[in-house]
Amino acid sequence: KAGVTQTPRYLIKTRGQQVTLSCSPISGHRSVSWYQQTPGQGLQFLFEYFSETQRNKGNFPGRFSGRQFSNSRSEMNVSTLELGDSALYLCASSLLPRGEKLFFGSGTQLSVL
Amino acid sequence: AQSVTQLDSQVPVFEEAPVELRCNYSSSVSVYLFWYVQYPNQGLQLLLKYLSGSTLVKGINGFEAEFNKSQTSFHLRKPSVHISDTAEYFCAVTPSTNFGNEKLTFGTGTRLTIIP
Repeated sequence: KAGVTQTPRYLIKTRGQQVTLSCSPISGHRSVSWYQQTPGQGLQFLFEYFSETQRNKGNFPGRFSGRQFSNSRSEMNVSTLELGDSALYLCASSLLPRGEKLFFGSGTQLSVL
Repeated sequence: AQSVTQLDSQVPVFEEAPVELRCNYSSSVSVYLFWYVQYPNQGLQLLLKYLSGSTLVKGINGFEAEFNKSQTSFHLRKPSVHISDTAEYFCAVTPSTNFGNEKLTFGTGTRLTIIP
């Protein structure tokens, strides 16, 4: 069974641009969560989707948005990039929206110059 | 709301020595507890988890952790470490209720460095 796949693996953008990150969950998993990891703030919850509906959202500005498609694949979008958005963005999937059964992808490393 | 405190940001240990990584949590509801490991340039891998039952939980790679409700702790231990254990370790909690906020709340991580 393939794991959680995140693409691209690395991204370099400049301030003011926007970026879209993709996450393909484990086959059959319907819940996808996104986390931001930075050296200063650690791992912070961004949002969670289940059956195409956003169920939970962390404390991030509106520039961070996401969506989930009918095949459970999820995308995360960050508009008007800032230097502080440089981070490892991790996606995790689970069969149901239960925190104890998360499987993480390898992440997308975003660098904003 | 939940919070997790990992008191040690860095822990150097000699190879084949024992190690304990400390984790304390705070929550107004009952929680599930986890330890994840992150190797360089990789995502998170689940080491072990406590959901219910025995307070001593065994995980992969020879790690174990003990849930102590009175001290709100979930310390991670390994009796003899190897070079390959060099990584960052994260403690995390999530509410055990069926409905509510299912997100994981992570600690700030402990970087374990094994000294040959």
